Amino acid sequence: EVQLVESGGGLVKPGRSLRLSCAASGFTFGDYAMTWFRQAPGKGLEWVGLIRTKPYGESTEYAASVKGRFTISRDDSKSIAYLQMNSLNTEDTAVYYCTRDLAPPDRFDYWGQGTLVTVSS
Amino acid sequence: DIQMTQSPSALSASVGDRVTITCRASQNIAASYVNWYQQKPGKAPKLLIYSASSLQSGVPSRFSGSGAETDFTLTISSLQAEDFATYYCQQSNSLPFTFGPGTKVDIK
Repeated sequence: EVQLVESGGGLVKPGRSLRLSCAASGFTFGDYAMTWFRQAPGKGLEWVGLIRTKPYGESTEYAASVKGRFTISRDDSKSIAYLQMNSLNTEDTAVYYCTRDLAPPDRFDYWGQGTLVTVSS
Repeated sequence: DIQMTQSPSALSASVGDRVTITCRASQNIAASYVNWYQQKPGKAPKLLIYSASSLQSGVPSRFSGSGAETDFTLTISSLQAEDFATYYCQQSNSLPFTFGPGTKVDIK
């Protein structure tokens, strides 16, 4: 059974950092791109960024709103994807989801349960 | 960026009703790059339809999708109690991937 489990969320002050983890199981992690989304309270879904597989250089792409502040990485040996978030601001408050990306074309068939990040002083 | 709009933003329907949700893209998108998701309160989204019209494995056949270029549709042929949720369209034609604002389907 495919499972994605996010962890690492919590309350953090503006300007601080947080690292989210996404532990995967039930599939060959290294064969799939991984994509992060977020959803602010009561709002819609927003794409955060993605990391491709090793054959594609583990290249990354980011939304303009997080580029330069957030970094996605992966450890295929542990089947974990990471979202490093620096210089957090209140607009980053959201539930963060990791997903398995079935590219090409990109579609997201498994989602984690989400982890809440609250940025507040 | 490709903007996705949805209509209606909300609708009330009864069990057994046929429900249609429309999604419009701000520019032409190949059908292969349009997906639909269902989200229930407090839960992660669930992939229903991919490539505009392909039913994701395990999704009931009462869900269907269609469309081309800028106009795409999600149809629920006979609404069931478990279908009351918010539905989102999403494009993967180009980065950044974008979603419509959602259509909330609730009980009449």
